[in-house]
Amino acid sequence: NAGVTQTPKFQVLKTGQSMTLQCAQDMNHEYMSWYRQDPGMGLRLIHYSVGAGITDQGEVPNGYNVSRSTTEDFPLRLLSAAPSQTSVYFCASSPRVYGNQPQHFGDGTRLSIL
Amino acid sequence: GQQLNQSPQSMFIQEGEDVSMNCTSSSIFNTWLWYKQDPGEGPVLLIALYKAGELTSNGRLTAQFGITRKDSFLNISASIPSDVGIYFCAGRTGTASKLTFGTGTRLQVTL
Repeated sequence: NAGVTQTPKFQVLKTGQSMTLQCAQDMNHEYMSWYRQDPGMGLRLIHYSVGAGITDQGEVPNGYNVSRSTTEDFPLRLLSAAPSQTSVYFCASSPRVYGNQPQHFGDGTRLSIL
Repeated sequence: GQQLNQSPQSMFIQEGEDVSMNCTSSSIFNTWLWYKQDPGEGPVLLIALYKAGELTSNGRLTAQFGITRKDSFLNISASIPSDVGIYFCAGRTGTASKLTFGTGTRLQVTL
């Protein structure tokens, strides 16, 4: 059971380039989400999904797009990378949208924008 | 948006000492979670609290859900070197899975 898998683990981009961060879970979880982690600011929610075909914005959605074509996958797209998007990105999932089950996190993608 | 204030920001303690950290909110939460993050890894769930006043233990870790539902506390007893890491609190309102995270407490343990 792999849990939540994020790829790549590291990436360096130039300003203006596009990139897709991959997230997959093999636990049949309904809820998936993307966070970014910046020094001294904890984790902030970017986008989330309550099921295949359904996505919504979190606290800091600007500059990012998501889609949820399958239950397993929830990719995060940067259409035109900016230095302010340098961060560590975490994907998380939980079994149900409504209920008390906590979220489980992947190991993160460390992204640098030059 | 909602904010969680977590304190202290960092702690330097000696092995064997007990540790206390807390998290306060301007809003009410109906679930409090405590996560630990090791360098280069994602947060890992330590303890989940679902009821005001609840006190839950996980080995040497004990966490409490404040009566006002606006705060939570985490205690670590007899710290060991592997306790080093960043500890995050997280709160959830309503019944949705969206979490609000604290800014973290960085714990360093010296021998």
